[in-house]
Amino acid sequence: DQQVKQNSPSLSVQEGRISILNCDYTNSMFDYFLWYKKYPAEGPTFLISISSIKDKNEDGRFTVFLNKSAKHLSLHIVPSQPGDSAVYFCAASALGGSNYKLTFGKGTLLTVNP
Amino acid sequence: KAGVTQTPRYLIKTRGQQVTLSCSPISGHRSVSWYQQTPGQGLQFLFEYFSETQRNKGNFPGRFSGRQFSNSRSEMNVSTLELGDSALYLCASSLFGTSGHNEQFFGPGTRLTVL
Repeated sequence: DQQVKQNSPSLSVQEGRISILNCDYTNSMFDYFLWYKKYPAEGPTFLISISSIKDKNEDGRFTVFLNKSAKHLSLHIVPSQPGDSAVYFCAASALGGSNYKLTFGKGTLLTVNP
Repeated sequence: KAGVTQTPRYLIKTRGQQVTLSCSPISGHRSVSWYQQTPGQGLQFLFEYFSETQRNKGNFPGRFSGRQFSNSRSEMNVSTLELGDSALYLCASSLFGTSGHNEQFFGPGTRLTVL
């Protein structure tokens, strides 16, 4: 039962353009969402998060949008840079109950071409 | 502040053997979580320890176990290794654990290869 889904295993964009990474979730108890970036041979690093009380959170070139009714979130990277090439994981958590562990999607490999 | 450290970084074992992986969290962090990363499955949650107690567990067989010491360092053990256990094992620490919304900081991982 995959509660967090990243349906695109890979995405390729040109440097300077926008990268949009998508994530869907099924568990309505999730109320906090995070994006992590992972380079090969390194552990994931936290990128940006959003609480369910918001619909947008911005940090520099990175913006996360949350559509609760659609159970969908997306990460926008503008402008994309070659150094952004990595695997991006979407994760979700909920306060209380049995859902409080972080549940990750399978990741999307972003390649930014110079 | 030093980050999360994991030892060893690489490990090769044969089927049937057992293995112990170690994780030292960021100083002051009391929660340690373990994840298995494989190409087809992404990051899958193994278990979380907080103040030496296992607080949450993922859907892995009993061959996977762990413990946490009083200094918050954690070990993960896999017994009777199978080929399918080959993966990157990641450890993450956080102040309050996965309950409550706080960021997890990951170590570089231990790459386990089972032959």
